[in-house]
Amino acid sequence: GAVVSQHPSWVICKSGTSVKIECRSLDFQATTMFWYRQFPKQSLMLMATSNEGSKATYEQGVEKDKFLINHASLTLSTLTVTSAHPEDSSFYICSARVLAGGVYEQYFGPGTRLTVT
Amino acid sequence: GQNIDQPTEMTATEGAIVQINCTYQTSGFNGLFWYQQHAGEAPTFLSYNVLDGLEEKGRFSSFLSRSKGYSYLLLKELQMKDSASYLCAAMDSNYQLIWGAGTKLIIKP
Repeated sequence: GAVVSQHPSWVICKSGTSVKIECRSLDFQATTMFWYRQFPKQSLMLMATSNEGSKATYEQGVEKDKFLINHASLTLSTLTVTSAHPEDSSFYICSARVLAGGVYEQYFGPGTRLTVT
Repeated sequence: GQNIDQPTEMTATEGAIVQINCTYQTSGFNGLFWYQQHAGEAPTFLSYNVLDGLEEKGRFSSFLSRSKGYSYLLLKELQMKDSASYLCAAMDSNYQLIWGAGTKLIIKP
C-alpha cells in the first residue's frame, strides 16, 4: 500500500510554455501532499504544502504565481510550472502524507524530470 | 532555527558495516525518518523512530536518542546496490519534515 504516482516521469518543454505535473495517491487518501524540487547533487527543497480543498502554503522564495498548485481531491494534486525558463529545469517530486497507526508517514512519487530548452 | 546535520559522504567496503549519523534540532519533535535515494530516483522510506532505542529491519537498523537529538542508520552486510544517498529527516511539531542534505554512501568491492 501507500503508492504515490507521478505523471509525466519526464518532460522537455520550450522556454515560455507551461507544464503540468500530476501527483496521485493510488491506494489511500491524502489530505496533505508536498511538492519538492531537487537540483543535481543537492538535497530536497520543499516548495509548497498542498492541502485538499484549500490554497497551498508556499515556502519562502517560491513564487506562487509561477508554481501553481491545485489539490482538488484527496487523491490528486497538480503542480503547473508557468512560463517555464531553463533555470526551472529540475527534478520535481511530490509526496503524500498518511496517518497510519497513529504515525504520520510520508511516501514519495517517482519524480518528474523537467528540462526547459 | 531548525537544522539537520549528517556527513556529506562516506565510503565502505562490500560486506562490511557502516553507521551514518544524524543530529537534529527542530521545533517540537514527532519522529525521525531515514530515506534511501538512488541517483535520479525519488527517495524511498527506510525507517521511522519516535521512541528512544534501536529499530531493526533486516540488514538496516535505526537508532534514536531524543535527549541527544541524535540518530544513526546502521547498514550491515553491505551490498553494491546499497550505494545511494541516505537522507535523515526530522518531523517537527507541525508534522513537517525537516531534511538533512543527505549522505552519499559509496560501496567499494
